[in-house]
Amino acid sequence: EVQLVESGGGLVQPGGSLRLSCAASGFTFSHYEMNWVRQAPGTGLEWISYISGGGGATYYADSVKGRITVFRDNAKNSLHLQMNSLRAEDTAIYYCVRVGLPDMVYHFDYWGQGALVTVSS
Amino acid sequence: DIQMTQSPSSLSASVGDRVTITCRASQSITNHLNWYQQKPGKAPKLLIYAASTLQSGVPSRFGGSGSGTDFTLTISSLQPEDFATYYCQQSYTSPLCTFGQGTKLEIK
Repeated sequence: EVQLVESGGGLVQPGGSLRLSCAASGFTFSHYEMNWVRQAPGTGLEWISYISGGGGATYYADSVKGRITVFRDNAKNSLHLQMNSLRAEDTAIYYCVRVGLPDMVYHFDYWGQGALVTVSS
Repeated sequence: DIQMTQSPSSLSASVGDRVTITCRASQSITNHLNWYQQKPGKAPKLLIYAASTLQSGVPSRFGGSGSGTDFTLTISSLQPEDFATYYCQQSYTSPLCTFGQGTKLEIK
């Protein structure tokens, strides 16, 4: 069974840093591209970050570019999101998301349960 | 950037109703359109990818159609568990993807 379990969320002051982690199981982690998607309270979904299976390619949304870094440890089946210079508008639930098989139209087939990040003084 | 616009933003319907939700892209995305369902307090769940392909395990009352810029999600006979928020997503510009703003489906 595919499982994605996020951790590391919490309360952080504006300007602070936080690292989210996602533990993956039930599939060959290194074979899959991964993403982070966030959802601010009461709002819709926002894609923020992508990483290739090997970790060599990354992409970021303009809203977070320069402030976040995505990386993965395929030996430990884990995905991470390092967030710096956090702002109030970064307050959201952050989801770890798997990309479906590459021979199909690109889509997100499995989502973690989410980690809540609250940026407030 | 490709913008995705869903309509309506909210919808009230009854169990047994046929419901259609529309998603429009600001430019052609061929069939690179996915639909997700999100229930309160839960993570989104993939329903349909490539505009019309049902994800494994999703009930056949869900259907998707469209290509180019206009897409629809249809629920043929609403069940109590279908009341949720639905999001479309374009993946034409993957890995940079964009979601629609969501359609909240409520019980009438």
